Amino acid sequence: NAGVTQTPKFQVLKTGQSMTLQCAQDMNHNSMYWYRQDPGMGLRLIYYSASEGTTDKGEVPNGYNVSRLNKREFSLRLESAAPSQTSVYFCASRISGASTYEQYFGPGTRLTVT
Amino acid sequence: AQSVTQPDIHITVSEGASLELRCNYSYGATPYLFWYVQSPGQGLQLLLKYFSGDTLVQGIKGFEAEFKRSQSSFNLRKPSVHWSDAAEYFCAVGTKAAGNKLTFGGGTRVLVKP
Repeated sequence: NAGVTQTPKFQVLKTGQSMTLQCAQDMNHNSMYWYRQDPGMGLRLIYYSASEGTTDKGEVPNGYNVSRLNKREFSLRLESAAPSQTSVYFCASRISGASTYEQYFGPGTRLTVT
Repeated sequence: AQSVTQPDIHITVSEGASLELRCNYSYGATPYLFWYVQSPGQGLQLLLKYFSGDTLVQGIKGFEAEFKRSQSSFNLRKPSVHWSDAAEYFCAVGTKAAGNKLTFGGGTRVLVKP
């Protein structure tokens, strides 16, 4: 199993450009997440999807949209990139169940907006 | 508001010495607790987790953590660090009330001196 995969690994955008970050998992997990990581701030939740067909806002959703394409895939879109969105983006997934709260992370996408 | 604090931003430790990383949380409900490790340029890997039962939990790579409800703490320890333990460590907390979501601390970066 590949686990959680993310593409691309690196991206440089100009202010105002748009792009979509892709995430896929092959663990048959129900829930998927998008986080951003900034120095000293840990990981902050952008959006999550508890199950196929549902999405909800996290702590820092402004400037982002998401699509839960199917059970495997969860994409994050920046419609008009801003320098404040320079960050490392992580996708994660987990099984929805009574006691399995741990999340499994992808390798991340490093995004720079100039 | 729910929060997770890792008071130490950086820790430097000599190879072979012991390591303790602190994590304090502020939650009203019984928490589920996690420690993740992030090696440079990598995603997050789960080190260990606490859901219930024995308050001393063992994880991978020789790490252990102790849940102290009275102190709202979940500190991570390793008796003898190896150079490969140089990484950033994140404490994360979830609750049943929070459902699918975890809250992460700001992280502690560990540097290992030869």
